Amino acid sequence: GQQLNQSPQSMFIQEGEDVSMNCTSSSIFNTWLWYKQDPGEGPVLLIALYKAGELTSNGRLTAQFGITRKDSFLNISASIPSDVGIYFCAGQRTSGTYKYIFGTGTRLKVLA
Amino acid sequence: GAVVSQHPSRVICKSGTSVKIECRSLDFQATTMFWYRQFPKQSLMLMATSNEGSKATYEQGVEKDKFLINHASLTLSTLTVTSAHPEDSSFYICSALSPSGPDTQYFGPGTRLTVL
Repeated sequence: GQQLNQSPQSMFIQEGEDVSMNCTSSSIFNTWLWYKQDPGEGPVLLIALYKAGELTSNGRLTAQFGITRKDSFLNISASIPSDVGIYFCAGQRTSGTYKYIFGTGTRLKVLA
Repeated sequence: GAVVSQHPSRVICKSGTSVKIECRSLDFQATTMFWYRQFPKQSLMLMATSNEGSKATYEQGVEKDKFLINHASLTLSTLTVTSAHPEDSSFYICSALSPSGPDTQYFGPGTRLTVL
């Protein structure tokens, strides 16, 4: 099945550092979402974006819906050890179908 | 709000047996649920869309006779893996479409299936 390209694939950072990751596609999406998945658990919704150019924050997390509608970015400020996990982007191409296409994931490890 | 549960969380079965996994939306009604499969260190791959009161819609390459989906009520969808084989071992995750936010899926905690 199709997947969205996420980068970086994995990253090790020091506690307190800021983190940036992105998700790109060759197709236009109407909705972008960011999820975090801990080992052995289901994904948890972090941020949902519904309009091109939209910038939305959730605590230390900020995500943007790219103006071309083909990409999205997630930033985490002042990382802490509990930020460790796998971050997935998901895109919805057409409103009404509700189906998501998931990204390949970014594995984040925070060094205390 | 928007809590989704799955049962069981883990199941081990012998090859050739069938396994049923339940997905429930606990605090909202979901006319649409989704079933995903996730292999180790990989992303989530959509298997099928489960619609209350109608037949499920399967993604290309997913055998509908092997993965039986029933969405009998607005809070329950079930996935039955029939005649399971070791290659069916995976992490199965369901999600439910929330009526509160547009086009937003909330995920269950997943079910780890191991077929011996």
